[in-house]
Amino acid sequence: AAGVIQSPRHLIKEKRETATLKCYPIPRHDTVYWYQQGPGQDPQFLISFYEKMQSDKGSIPDRFSAQQFSDYHSELNMSSLELGDSALYFCASRDRTYNEQFFGPGTRLTVL
Amino acid sequence: TQLLEQSPQFLSIQEGENLTVYCNSSSVFSSLQWYRQEPGEGPVLLVTVVTGGEVKKLKRLTFQFGDARKDSSLHITAAQPGDTGLYLCAGARNYGQNFVFGPGTRLSVLP
Repeated sequence: AAGVIQSPRHLIKEKRETATLKCYPIPRHDTVYWYQQGPGQDPQFLISFYEKMQSDKGSIPDRFSAQQFSDYHSELNMSSLELGDSALYFCASRDRTYNEQFFGPGTRLTVL
Repeated sequence: TQLLEQSPQFLSIQEGENLTVYCNSSSVFSSLQWYRQEPGEGPVLLVTVVTGGEVKKLKRLTFQFGDARKDSSLHITAAQPGDTGLYLCAGARNYGQNFVFGPGTRLSVLP
C-alpha cells in the first residue's frame, strides 16, 4: 500500500540558511499535517492543509511557511535557520473516512 | 501543560510479562489513536478508537477507550523484545482538527 513520502530524509544546513522539505501524501487523503519532533519529545503540530487550503496552525515559527500544491504534495519552507530548528520533521496525511492520520518516515534536519 | 498525559513515562520489563500504559486527559476526544515509534522513524499507527467504552484487539495488544472518551489504555500481553519502542497516544477533539500528542511511554522489553 502507498505510504506518505518525504524528501529529503536527511538534511544538513548552516545557521541562517534556508531549507525546503517535501511531502507526498497518500493518494485520496484530504489533509496534510506537518509536525516537528525534537530529541526525546513528542511530535508538535506545526500546520495543516485541507484540500490545498491552510486549515489549522500550531506552533509554527514566523520564519517557516508551508503550502499545498495542486497535486496535493506539500512543502515546508524554513528560512533563517537556527540551531534549535534541528529536529525530525514529519508529514502526515489523513484518511477522511476513519479520521486516521498516517505518518511519513520524516526528514532529519541538522542545523550547524 | 500537556493536553494528553501518558503514564508511565518509562517502562522496562522482561520478555513474557504483561503491561498496561495509560493515556489521560480532562478533555473529551472525538477520536484517539495509538502509535508506536522507533528511533529516527515516523510513528506507525496501531489503532484508532472513536466510541466510548470501545475495546479493540490487535494480536497481543488490547486498546480501550474510556466511556467518557477522555482516556485510553493499551495493554500488551506476553511482551516481546520486538514491542520495544515509544508508544504515543494522539487525540483529535473534533473531526478534522489536528491531533495532539501525549508525551509518550518508552517501553523496553528485555530478552
